[in-house]
Amino acid sequence: DGGITQSPKYLFRKEGQNVTLSCEQNLNHDAMYWYRQDPGQGLRLIYYSQIVNDFQKGDIAEGYSVSREKKESFPLTVTSAQKNPTAFYLCASSGSGDSRLAKNIQYFGAGTRLSVL
Amino acid sequence: QKEVEQNSGPLSVPEGAIASLNCTYSDRGSQSFFWYRQYSGKSPELIMFIYSNGDKEDGRFTAQLNKASQYVSLLIRDSQPSDSATYLCAWGGSQGNLIFGKGTKLSVKP
Repeated sequence: DGGITQSPKYLFRKEGQNVTLSCEQNLNHDAMYWYRQDPGQGLRLIYYSQIVNDFQKGDIAEGYSVSREKKESFPLTVTSAQKNPTAFYLCASSGSGDSRLAKNIQYFGAGTRLSVL
Repeated sequence: QKEVEQNSGPLSVPEGAIASLNCTYSDRGSQSFFWYRQYSGKSPELIMFIYSNGDKEDGRFTAQLNKASQYVSLLIRDSQPSDSATYLCAWGGSQGNLIFGKGTKLSVKP
């Protein structure tokens, strides 16, 4: 099945701990994105990557880090510097091609819920 | 600050009625617009996109775009209880990223 797989579904972080959220896609998409959603809020962009070995900060990158060593994978690390990490984390990917529309059509994984112990 | 504004609702409509969801955006350069549906506890799923002025229909859903007035709307005809969800409006940035509104919660009463 083609799609975007996020793991784990639920994650608990202890104070001072770094945790890594996994995102894998087999859609052959060039671009991948990480969003954070807080209750009753829209999605806010954390980081995005349009090509392997390159990524850009979104609106709320502080306290987070990413890597893009493979086209299929875009893991997100929530560092201890992120003081309020409890949220629903969503990974998305979008197609390649020259059209801006193709790049904008994003498909989402099932998400990871992160809580602080 | 590039923004998308949506009425947070909740919007309540009876089963079989037309639900109308609206969204305004701040960037006149915006090219493409998207409607996502998000059920409680789930991730967003794309239901429609539109990039030309006017209407675009897909089954019971119609997206309407008015670039001069900077608004986009989603009409759901013959609303069903299964349509009860939060609807997120988004517009596409030049880097492929999406700018999301906070969503409108729709409740369809049987």
